[in-house]
Amino acid sequence: GDSVTQMEGPVTLSEEACLTINCTYTATGYPSLFWYVQYPGEGLQLLLKATKADDKGSNKGFEATYRKETTSFHLEKGSVQVSDSAVYFCALSQQAGTALIFGKGTTLSVSS
Amino acid sequence: DTGVSQDPRHKITKRGQNVTFRCDPISEHNRLYWYRQTLGQGPEFLTYFQNEAQLEKSRLLSDRFSAERPKGSFSTLEIQRTEQGDSAMYLCASSTLLVLGGASYEQYFGPGTRLTVT
Repeated sequence: GDSVTQMEGPVTLSEEACLTINCTYTATGYPSLFWYVQYPGEGLQLLLKATKADDKGSNKGFEATYRKETTSFHLEKGSVQVSDSAVYFCALSQQAGTALIFGKGTTLSVSS
Repeated sequence: DTGVSQDPRHKITKRGQNVTFRCDPISEHNRLYWYRQTLGQGPEFLTYFQNEAQLEKSRLLSDRFSAERPKGSFSTLEIQRTEQGDSAMYLCASSTLLVLGGASYEQYFGPGTRLTVT
């Protein structure tokens, strides 16, 4: 079945460091890909998405590019802030509006 | 603008008891989803509704689990004869069709109900 694998955490960075959280997927066809974020004490929020190969999703300085050839959707940010500390989940969906399949999540901790 | 709400936020129950959770989606969202999340894992899909119709159920949704959305608005998730393995965070999400920039259904998540089975 479909699955998502993301890098183990926690990831600990200093403020203004570069961030990459790796995400690869296994799926038939052309799923849509997502990054969700969960800030401490809050619910899951959609961070960005991409619906077809080579699409780049971006939001709040975060970017991820849908790479069909490597089945990847890595999350990147050039300069992290303390406020970016959260758990990040990579997810896929085979069809709009249907089930999301999530990775295990990666905890990011940014210190000043 | 109210988001997805879930009640209760926390539930402690003894093994063998029945529990019921409620989810109120964002107003006018026609799709509603249930997920389960255990510690250190990502959310796992359980089931989803379009209006009052239950369109898909995961293999995780055993016979002890039942979900309803009788009027196409709020939904309930009931677990009968709870087991310790049912301890988890139960998440609800809702969505509606967005056509701006291409059709999509962004799922908005509630805060979850944390179930502890002792």
